[in-house]
Amino acid sequence: EVQLVESRGGLVQPGGSLRLSCEASGFTFRDHAMTWVRQAPGKGLEWVSAISGGGTTYYADSVQGRFTVSRDNFRNTLYLQMDSLRVGDTAVYYCARDCYYDSSGPGWFDPWGQGALVTVSS
Amino acid sequence: AIQLTQSPSSLSASVRDRVTITCRASQNIFSALAWYQLKPGNAPKLLIFDASTLQRGVPSRFSGSGSGTDFTLTISSLQPEDFATYYCQQFNSYPQTFGQGTRLEIK
Repeated sequence: EVQLVESRGGLVQPGGSLRLSCEASGFTFRDHAMTWVRQAPGKGLEWVSAISGGGTTYYADSVQGRFTVSRDNFRNTLYLQMDSLRVGDTAVYYCARDCYYDSSGPGWFDPWGQGALVTVSS
Repeated sequence: AIQLTQSPSSLSASVRDRVTITCRASQNIFSALAWYQLKPGNAPKLLIFDASTLQRGVPSRFSGSGSGTDFTLTISSLQPEDFATYYCQQFNSYPQTFGQGTRLEIK
């Protein structure tokens, strides 16, 4: 079964840092780009970041310079390091597998992780 | 970045109704469009990719069409479990973007 299991989120003060992880199973991890998407309370889906199978990274303007996406193809794990967090970064963060025909992406997303709630508040 | 505009933003309908949601891209994205269903407390569910290809396991009452800048998601006969929020997503280029969502409510 193809599955993505995310680490728990948490409560962080503004300016703080948090790292999310997403462990993949049931497919050849290195053959897929991976992505992070978030949903702020009461808002829609927002694409955050992506990383190709070979490690090329992409970011939304809203997180560029503050968030870093990475992957460990031996541990089948995706990461999102979030620094300089802002109140506006409060959201449920989802990891998802990019299903494009090769590992470069971009493509459509399936499956998705269960989501991790990140709350940025003092 | 490519902008996606969905309409309507919300929609009230009854069981067995036929409904159509549209998604317009700010530039040509060919057929690089997907549709998702989102219910509170659940992860998004992929319905359609490449504008019109039904994801395995998704009921055939869901269909997608369009290319270029104009796309539609149609539900041919609404079922109670279909009341949710629907999003389109373009994957023609980075940054990938989503529409603002269409909330489908029971009339």
